[in-house]
Amino acid sequence: SQTIHQWPATLVQPVGSPLSLECTVEGTSNPNLYWYRQAAGRGLQLLFYSVGIGQISSEVPQNLSASRPQDRQFILSSKKLLLSDSGFYLCAWSRGDGYTFGSGTRLTVV
Amino acid sequence: SQQGEEDPQALSIQEGENATMNCSYKTSINNLQWYRQNSGRGLVHLILIRSNEREKHSGRLRVTLDTSKKSSSLLITASRAADTASYFCATEARETSGSRLTFGEGTQLTVNP
Repeated sequence: SQTIHQWPATLVQPVGSPLSLECTVEGTSNPNLYWYRQAAGRGLQLLFYSVGIGQISSEVPQNLSASRPQDRQFILSSKKLLLSDSGFYLCAWSRGDGYTFGSGTRLTVV
Repeated sequence: SQQGEEDPQALSIQEGENATMNCSYKTSINNLQWYRQNSGRGLVHLILIRSNEREKHSGRLRVTLDTSKKSSSLLITASRAADTASYFCATEARETSGSRLTFGEGTQLTVNP
């Protein structure tokens, strides 16, 4: 069966520090992969999506970046975090109908 | 940008009552999906309705889609306290570089026991 793993579950980072969030998918190949961010009490904002290895589309200009070094691995990074980067980050995959989301990472930048 | 807009933003009902949430969108879509999110958790896919479908059922869920009005509704019948969660509609428009799912702001449903 297909599963998606996202870690860590929570993270507290100081302003200016780097960030690396990892997401991996099991049980499928060549999935479309997505990073979303959710502010408190709000909907999800699409940050990046990828249709294949090394193929990244950015939706919102910001100090975040994404990479897909392997077919089932999607990484969200930042060189220097800002306070405004705080939020709930969700990874998702799709291969047709419906998206499957990871359990999310709650990032607090202090 | 957020395409789907849900209303109401918040809904509080008693257990056993039906809950109806609405969603409107702006552009052409391939399908519309509804998701549920418990507080602080990931989203769970509930149901998908394609642009050529008008109504779909899954257990206690009923979804309608009116493409002429660019709107959808999610009905939860015989609600339970465990249905308390945020519900999001999301539209998918297939593009040359892959599909994208655009979410609304959600409806917070509270079912009181």
